[in-house]
Amino acid sequence: NAGVTQTPKFRVLKTGQSMTLLCAQDMNHEYMYWYRQDPGMGLRLIHYSVGEGTTAKGEVPDGYNVSRLKKQNFLLGLESAAPSQTSVYFCATRELAGFPHGELFFGEGSRLTVL
Amino acid sequence: GIQVEQSPPDLILQEGANSTLRCNFSDSVNNLQWFHQNPWGQLINLFYIPSGTKQNGRLSATTVATERYSLLYISSSQTTDSGVYFCAVEAGGFKTIFGAGTRLFVKA
Repeated sequence: NAGVTQTPKFRVLKTGQSMTLLCAQDMNHEYMYWYRQDPGMGLRLIHYSVGEGTTAKGEVPDGYNVSRLKKQNFLLGLESAAPSQTSVYFCATRELAGFPHGELFFGEGSRLTVL
Repeated sequence: GIQVEQSPPDLILQEGANSTLRCNFSDSVNNLQWFHQNPWGQLINLFYIPSGTKQNGRLSATTVATERYSLLYISSSQTTDSGVYFCAVEAGGFKTIFGAGTRLFVKA
């Protein structure tokens, strides 16, 4: 049971390049989230999804796009990477709020460096 | 949107000491979790505690939803407790928002 798996774990990009981070979950959870964590800071919500085919903006959505074509996958895209997007990206999943627990479960993170 | 404040921002303890970490939030919440981020960056679920009190070994947590705060207690601290402790709340709209964290260092 892998839980929440993020790929790739590490990536170095040049300014202007594009890339996609993949989050895959095998827990059949409805909700999926993408967060970014900058050095010495907490996690900030980029985008989230409450089910297959749905996405919504979080606290810091600019410069990112997302898609949830399949329930088990949530993709985070950077169309034109900027140095300010250098960060560690975390994916999280959650069952329906309050049923049975509503806990967030995190992947191990993806470290992205934009030069 | 909802504001989540954690205190203290930094904490240094001698091994064996006890501590209390606090999380204040500005609005009613549907759920609240405490996480530990270890030195390798992994986020570990500690407690899911929208209200009431829970205990797990040396750790316990209490959330008083009506007064909009939660406390995390660490007793007999160990060096492996070092890391960052985050409080995260969901206030409706399905979004879960994190506090800035408390950075804990336990000295041997």
